[in-house]
Amino acid sequence: GQNIDQPTEMTATEGAIVQINCTYQTSGFNGLFWYQQHAGEAPTFLSYNVLDGLEEKGRFSSFLSRSKGYSYLLLKELQMKDSASYLCAVRDSNYQLIWGAGTKLIIKP
Amino acid sequence: IAGITQAPTSQILAAGRRMTLRCTQDMRHNAMYWYRQDLGLGLRLIHYSNTAGTTGKGEVPDGYSVSRANTDDFPLTLASAVPSQTSVYFCASSDRAGGQETQYFGPGTRLLVL
Repeated sequence: GQNIDQPTEMTATEGAIVQINCTYQTSGFNGLFWYQQHAGEAPTFLSYNVLDGLEEKGRFSSFLSRSKGYSYLLLKELQMKDSASYLCAVRDSNYQLIWGAGTKLIIKP
Repeated sequence: IAGITQAPTSQILAAGRRMTLRCTQDMRHNAMYWYRQDLGLGLRLIHYSNTAGTTGKGEVPDGYSVSRANTDDFPLTLASAVPSQTSVYFCASSDRAGGQETQYFGPGTRLLVL
């Protein structure tokens, strides 16, 4: 079966760095997405990786290793507004997105 | 530009009733999707449409139907609601012109079936 694993919850301190991991087992691979979802709101797109390596976008970076079925989202200089759930999703061979359950990130002052 | 709108925002529904959740996008995206999101689970695809006039079944299609008469609208119908359909429903759209095909989400409909 297809599976996306990510930690349920993480806690970090304002101003620090946090890494959220995602491992996947899917039928085929056509890209990996990270979305941010604040409580009670819709998911919003953060990053996309289709080739191995690091994609940097401001305070957020995302890394992909296709051979290991692994990605991480790195958040630097954490702000209170970064408190949200972070969703990892992989596009499979049918071009459908398979979603992880999300990692709830709690930022403490 | 509104992006994607959904209606209603929330609804309490008696079991056995019929309900249509509305979704409209103004981005001229060819693909549209319906997901449900339940606590502790990832988003699960209910139905999708790659282009106007076509639809397909996702991971959890039972009890739901969709239609795609035009590019902008993609309504989701619950023919006879059951309590297990209590969930948050998100509509999304993407441009399937190739490449990244990022999905963009509507604000969601919170449905409680009693």
